[in-house]
Amino acid sequence: TAGITQAPTSQILAAGRSMTLRCTQDMRHNAMYWYRQDLGLGLRLIHYSNTAGTTGKGEVPDGYSVSRANTDDFPLTLASAVPSQTSVYFCASSESAGDQETQYFGPGTRLLVL
Amino acid sequence: QQQVKQSPQSLIVQKGGISIINCAYENTAFDYFPWYQQFPGKGPALLIAIRPDVSEKKEGRFTISFNKSAKQFSLHIMDSQPGDSATYFCAAPADYMIKAAGNKLTFGGGTRVLVKP
Repeated sequence: TAGITQAPTSQILAAGRSMTLRCTQDMRHNAMYWYRQDLGLGLRLIHYSNTAGTTGKGEVPDGYSVSRANTDDFPLTLASAVPSQTSVYFCASSESAGDQETQYFGPGTRLLVL
Repeated sequence: QQQVKQSPQSLIVQKGGISIINCAYENTAFDYFPWYQQFPGKGPALLIAIRPDVSEKKEGRFTISFNKSAKQFSLHIMDSQPGDSATYFCAAPADYMIKAAGNKLTFGGGTRVLVKP
């Protein structure tokens, strides 16, 4: 199985433009997550979804929005990109939102905002 | 808000040596401490995790030790191999989430390990 796929692999985006990062999982996992990874800061949670139809804010949600219309897809949208959103973005999923569930990560999307 | 402090930021070890990475946390919603391993160009993947009922867990060459009173936990890589060269992240449950919100993790800043042949 593919697990988690993310698209695009990388992107250069002009500041002020909008963009949607796509994430699809084929594991039928209930919970999904979006992280950004910056050098020295580790992975920081942007938004999460415990189950289809629900979303919640993570540690750094400002400037980002998400939706969870179905189990498989969890897109992340930047409405008006700023240079500080330059980062590597990882989508992840877990079987449930319960304690101690393993999170499975996608390959990431490298985003450069100029 | 939960902070997880990880050290060192980078580590160079000779093949066969021991790699040691330390993490300290402030508060947790519950005791569960996973370690994730990330190879260049890939997403992180769970390496090993420890739960509160034990102070040490060993899987092959990887060992986690946990000191609840000191709020610290560490990863030891014994007999380090070049294939272990990767970035390692510790994590702890995020205390800004109520327990009912479940599996939200706060990650440390990462340690880049290079094992020289």
